[in-house]
Amino acid sequence: LAKTTQPISMDSYEGQEVNITCSHNNIATNDYITWYQQFPSQGPRFIIQGYKTKVTNEVASLFIPADRKSSTLSLPRVSLSDTAVYYCLVGAPQTGANNLFFGTGTRLTVIP
Amino acid sequence: DSGVTQTPKHLITATGQRVTLRCSPRSGDLSVYWYQQSLDQGLQFLIQYYNGEERAKGNILERFSAQQFPDLHSELNLSSLELGDSALYFCASSVADKLNTEAFFGQGTRLTVV
Repeated sequence: LAKTTQPISMDSYEGQEVNITCSHNNIATNDYITWYQQFPSQGPRFIIQGYKTKVTNEVASLFIPADRKSSTLSLPRVSLSDTAVYYCLVGAPQTGANNLFFGTGTRLTVIP
Repeated sequence: DSGVTQTPKHLITATGQRVTLRCSPRSGDLSVYWYQQSLDQGLQFLIQYYNGEERAKGNILERFSAQQFPDLHSELNLSSLELGDSALYFCASSVADKLNTEAFFGQGTRLTVV
């Protein structure tokens, strides 16, 4: 079962692009990569999900190289409200998969 | 507001006791997931139910059990509580029966075992 490794923390200035990389060397063929955002004392909030190459939505982009052993969440022009913990997780989406692993998360601090 | 409701928000109980946490999923969602978040273990998946049936099981202790009722609300029962069970317990819901999918999380129940 794939597990993930992320940087523990990152700082960024307002208005900059932030890239958070997650390593998942043992990702399985059927695993998808999902990112969540969590504010203190709140439940995680889904950001984006992908399988390969690039996925973009109104909030973020997700870049996945061909070997899929890592992925990068890209947040364009961050604001103070983007200060949160970002979790990368991998797992198979299909019914019956036995587990889903959240990483330790990356604490992003956006500085004015 | 995610649309997922968890009660109670806070719970303080003694070791050895039993508690029940309740979750109401978003309207239309058939899957309910339970997670535990503690400082030392991070966010851990416990169990998933879909339309009343267990679909996936994660790191759930034998002292813990869950069920999903015909109205789709779910309960997580924690028994013989230990100090180490103190944590935030989240419920999430999704429309799909998949495990790794877009899920909507509630605000959590903070359990303190003393």
